[in-house]
Amino acid sequence: KQEVTQIPAALSVPEGENLVLNCSFTDSAIYNLQWFRQDPGKGLTSLLLIQSSQREQTSGRLNASLDKSSGRSTLYIAASQPGDSATYLCAVRLWGGATNKLIFGTGTLLAVQP
Amino acid sequence: NAGVTQTPKFQVLKTGQSMTLQCAQDMNHEYMSWYRQDPGMGLRLIHYSVGAGITDQGEVPNGYNVSRSTTEDFPLRLLSAAPSQTSVYFCASSTGTGGSREQYFGPGTRLTVT
Repeated sequence: KQEVTQIPAALSVPEGENLVLNCSFTDSAIYNLQWFRQDPGKGLTSLLLIQSSQREQTSGRLNASLDKSSGRSTLYIAASQPGDSATYLCAVRLWGGATNKLIFGTGTLLAVQP
Repeated sequence: NAGVTQTPKFQVLKTGQSMTLQCAQDMNHEYMSWYRQDPGMGLRLIHYSVGAGITDQGEVPNGYNVSRSTTEDFPLRLLSAAPSQTSVYFCASSTGTGGSREQYFGPGTRLTVT
């Protein structure tokens, strides 16, 4: 059974710091991995999508990497800002047939202090 | 495009009542899903659909029904509400076979069952 783990559960950093969020998964047979941001009381906003054949994706100050063999993904946030404060979730889409199953980690709550 | 829309935003039910949570998407996505989000449990898949007329169970399907008569709509029905169904419900959609399958989420419905 695929399990997705995110460490740490919570992180507090001063503004301007570079930081890394971690996501690990137990089964490497994934179709893709997606990072989301969730603000309190809101829905999920897609940040980056990495297909299983890719190693990394970049969008602005965000860079996500994928190492399927070790079952790991990282989300790198450069020059953090208070507006980056949110919960960050990673999710893996299972491979195989007409499947639509996304397995989520429990998230990392990020607080960027001004 | 409106993306993925959900109604209502908030709902309070008494135990035993039934109701339908509405979800619609205007992106012509094949895949649609329903998740619930509970503190400490992350997001869990309730039901999903890979196309009109096709639905399947996710991780926590008991107490919920779905149908998919059109590509656009994917309603979730609570048959007899229980306090354990108090949660935030998210609908999501993505492209299907051959697409990137990037998942897009609606804003959520906050349900309280008393």
